[in-house]
Amino acid sequence: AQSVTQLDSHVSVSEGTPVLLRCNYSSSYSPSLFWYVQHPNKGLQLLLKYTSAATLVKGINGFEAEFKKSETSFHLTKPSAHMSDAAEYFCVVSEGNDYKLSFGAGTTVTVRA
Amino acid sequence: DTGVSQNPRHKITKRGQNVTFRCDPISEHNRLYWYRQTLGQGPEFLTYFQNEAQLEKSRLLSDRFSAERPKGSFSTLEIQRTEQGDSAMYLCASSPTGGGTEAFFGQGTRLTVV
Repeated sequence: AQSVTQLDSHVSVSEGTPVLLRCNYSSSYSPSLFWYVQHPNKGLQLLLKYTSAATLVKGINGFEAEFKKSETSFHLTKPSAHMSDAAEYFCVVSEGNDYKLSFGAGTTVTVRA
Repeated sequence: DTGVSQNPRHKITKRGQNVTFRCDPISEHNRLYWYRQTLGQGPEFLTYFQNEAQLEKSRLLSDRFSAERPKGSFSTLEIQRTEQGDSAMYLCASSPTGGGTEAFFGQGTRLTVV
């Protein structure tokens, strides 16, 4: 069975400082991993995805994530936070050809001016 | 706008009433999913369609819930005899293929049962 654990329920950063959102996954097969962002009153938007190609994945809005199989991790980073990054972030896994997405509980990011 | 569309955006209903939500996926996507998201949690899988066939239902989907996708286009999710525990955001998503392809989500229907 597939699952993800987001290690921080809330992260607060100052504008212009780095952001790190931590995610560990559990999967019996080759996983596909995603990060989605959810802004208030908006739909879930895909930030980036890993599907067994390069382990360092670049996404939209300056975000990137690194797949580390030995650590079963898929942490999300951004070098410099912007006020518009304040949102809920979800780490998501799917297994092999499984169409179901399994979401983590989410990390709320607040950005201080 | 060619994204996933859900209606209504908000629904308030009295306990015991029936409600129906609609999802219009991206037109060329043959896969459609329903998820439920409660406050402070990530979305949970409810059911999945490939074209008009409902291929899987989560055990979260009790007998009071039914979903359809006639002709493989739009989908409806009906909840009969609503309970307060049904209060949640109901999300619809679609994708062109399975297995590692991202799903595109609608903005959701927020259900409040009073």
